[in-house]
Amino acid sequence: AQTVTQSQPEMSVQEAETVTLSCTYDTSESDYYLFWYKQPPSRQMILVIRQEAYKQQNATENRFSVNFQKAAKSFSLKISDSQLGDAAMYFCAYSGQGGKLIFGQGTELSVKP
Amino acid sequence: NAGVMQNPRHLVRRRGQEARLRCSPMKGHSHVYWYRQLPEEGLKFMVYLQKENIIDESGMPKERFSAEFPKEGPSILRIQQVVRGDSAAYFCASSPPTGPATYNEQFFGPGTRLTVL
Repeated sequence: AQTVTQSQPEMSVQEAETVTLSCTYDTSESDYYLFWYKQPPSRQMILVIRQEAYKQQNATENRFSVNFQKAAKSFSLKISDSQLGDAAMYFCAYSGQGGKLIFGQGTELSVKP
Repeated sequence: NAGVMQNPRHLVRRRGQEARLRCSPMKGHSHVYWYRQLPEEGLKFMVYLQKENIIDESGMPKERFSAEFPKEGPSILRIQQVVRGDSAAYFCASSPPTGPATYNEQFFGPGTRLTVL
C-alpha cells in the first residue's frame, strides 16, 4: 500500500523569506502523480502544485517549486518570498492507479510579519 | 461554471441519528470521491464513485456508512446511527471522465462539518 509521510507538524518562516516543507512517500507503482495542497482556515482544499512522476523536471508555479527526487521518494515544496497569505496547513498527496488521493498528515505553516 | 457544491456546510446530529451529506459535482464531471478529515489529521479516502457505480470503497467503514451517485442528482454519503467518533469534516471532490494515460485533477468542495452530540 502507498503511504505519504510529512515529518514536520509545524514550520515557521519570516515574511519574504524562503521555506521548504518535506514529504516522503512509498510506492511500488511506476506511474503516479504527486501534489501539494493548501488548506487555509476556511478549510477549502486548494491545489498548489502537481508533479508527474515520469517528468524529471521539477514543477514550478510562481513562488512555489518542488524538489522531486524519485529514487529517494522525496517530494519537498519550496515557497519563496513567503507572504502572510501563505499561512495554512499544507498537505502532500499521492495518486497512482485508481485515482484516489493519499494524503500526508500535514504541516502547519505560520508566516511571521 | 459553478464549483463542487456540498450541503449542508454544517450538520449537527445526536448519537443514533442519521446523517446525509450531499455533493453536487462540477458540470461535466462524472467521478466523485469522498474524503474524511478527523480533527488535527489529513484527509483520508473513503469511496470513489462514478454514475450509478461504486468503483472503490476500500476506505469506507464496513458498517453504518454508505454512498451512492445516482444517474440524476447529487452524490449522497449516508451515515446511520452516528457516534461521536463520526464527528469530522467530510469533503467531496469531482473530476471529469479519465482519458487513457491521463490524470484529471480533483476539484474539492468546501466540505461538510459533522458534529455528533
